[in-house]
Amino acid sequence: DQQVKQNSPSLSVQEGRISILNCDYTNSMFDYFLWYKKYPAEGPTFLISISSIKDKNEDGRFTVFLNKSAKHLSLHIVPSQPGDSAVYFCAAGERGVYGGSQGNLIFGKGTKLSVKP
Amino acid sequence: DTGVSQNPRHKITKRGQNVTFRCDPISEHNRLYWYRQTLGQGPEFLTYFQNEAQLEKSRLLSDRFSAERPKGSFSTLEIQRTEQGDSAMYLCASSSVAVKGNTIYFGEGSWLTVV
Repeated sequence: DQQVKQNSPSLSVQEGRISILNCDYTNSMFDYFLWYKKYPAEGPTFLISISSIKDKNEDGRFTVFLNKSAKHLSLHIVPSQPGDSAVYFCAAGERGVYGGSQGNLIFGKGTKLSVKP
Repeated sequence: DTGVSQNPRHKITKRGQNVTFRCDPISEHNRLYWYRQTLGQGPEFLTYFQNEAQLEKSRLLSDRFSAERPKGSFSTLEIQRTEQGDSAMYLCASSSVAVKGNTIYFGEGSWLTVV
């Protein structure tokens, strides 16, 4: 059973507009969430993370929102650029002793974002 | 480049052969992870080390798989008697528990094709 779900396999957005990627999780023990971006034939690249004590984290064009009661998070990219075209993975983990993820991250299946010029 | 380094990047092997992948983590990182990714799926956790100690293994890591990190620096992942179902991208990642957030950074992956 999937503990992290990305229900949209793909998303197409016009350059300059907002991209919103969604992620749902089922495990209430998750308290640390990350977004990764992946180009074909490359490893995932870390984008942004959020811990359960926050409901929003922002880094430049990227903002992650967390709704714990709904077990839902989303990644907003504003403005979207053609170079943002990639597969985006949502990942979740339980907090480790030192804070941050413990190590065993659970990933969704990804959403392929296409940003059209 | 001081990122996570993996080699070989691509490996084609015949079923039944053994293969070994090597990972060099970011130099100051004390945690090292192995994940596997197949087409259309997200990365799946296999195992991780803190320094030289292997702290957790997924049930995905069958007896044919063995990972080592002998001196707490680089790591190897060996797959014995490969099967076609082992064809995947093997991802290594590292992190530092001393850094707030313990964010995990991935290498570029090693593609395995078993024919």
